Amino acid sequence: GAGVSQSPSNKVTEKGKDVELRCDPISGHTALYWYRQSLGQGLEFLIYFQGNSAPDKSGLPSDRFSAERTGGSVSTLTIQRTQQEDSAVYLCASSPPGWTADNSPLHFGNGTRLTVT
Amino acid sequence: GENVEQHPSTLSVQEGDSAVIKCTYSDSASNYFPWYKQELGKGPQLIIDIRSNVGEKKDQRIAVTLNKTAKHFSLHITETQPEDSAVYFCAASKRTGGFKTIFGAGTRLFVKA
Repeated sequence: GAGVSQSPSNKVTEKGKDVELRCDPISGHTALYWYRQSLGQGLEFLIYFQGNSAPDKSGLPSDRFSAERTGGSVSTLTIQRTQQEDSAVYLCASSPPGWTADNSPLHFGNGTRLTVT
Repeated sequence: GENVEQHPSTLSVQEGDSAVIKCTYSDSASNYFPWYKQELGKGPQLIIDIRSNVGEKKDQRIAVTLNKTAKHFSLHITETQPEDSAVYFCAASKRTGGFKTIFGAGTRLFVKA
């Protein structure tokens, strides 16, 4: 079946512009996560959505970053007034329902590579 | 919050040899430890996981061990093949305090033919 889909796959933007990154999770998955991966680095947690609960925004690095999840499915990560340090790969992942802490496989998309010039 | 440290950052082995990657975690409440493999240009893919009530788990050439007392867990790949070359991430998560999974910094594995 279809996996997690992210678009665009690549985005080049000028410093100061706003960007929107899109994530389509696997159908039926209730949990959605955004991670950031800087060049050669690990995965930095940004935000987590679970069903209708309030999202966990504890990883967002600044108030220029925000995310929405409409209808419990598609999510958009928005970065306002982009800076060069925002350049990274932004990864989205989803988890199936019935998730518990000891059964939480993350299914990742291939990411959006963001370059801020 | 949880902190996961991973070593080594780079590992080079000869084809057929074994590779071992080690991780430590800080939060004793963490009880789920997945490992992901990331190939160039792709997102990480789950390869094996272990729960806190288990000390070892094996799946063909891949095995993972967990020492809850020491808060250590390790990935073992035997009979390595060139297609095992990739970046490997360990991770930890728990039920309480949110469900976010915390990742190690990754290990870049090179398998030389």
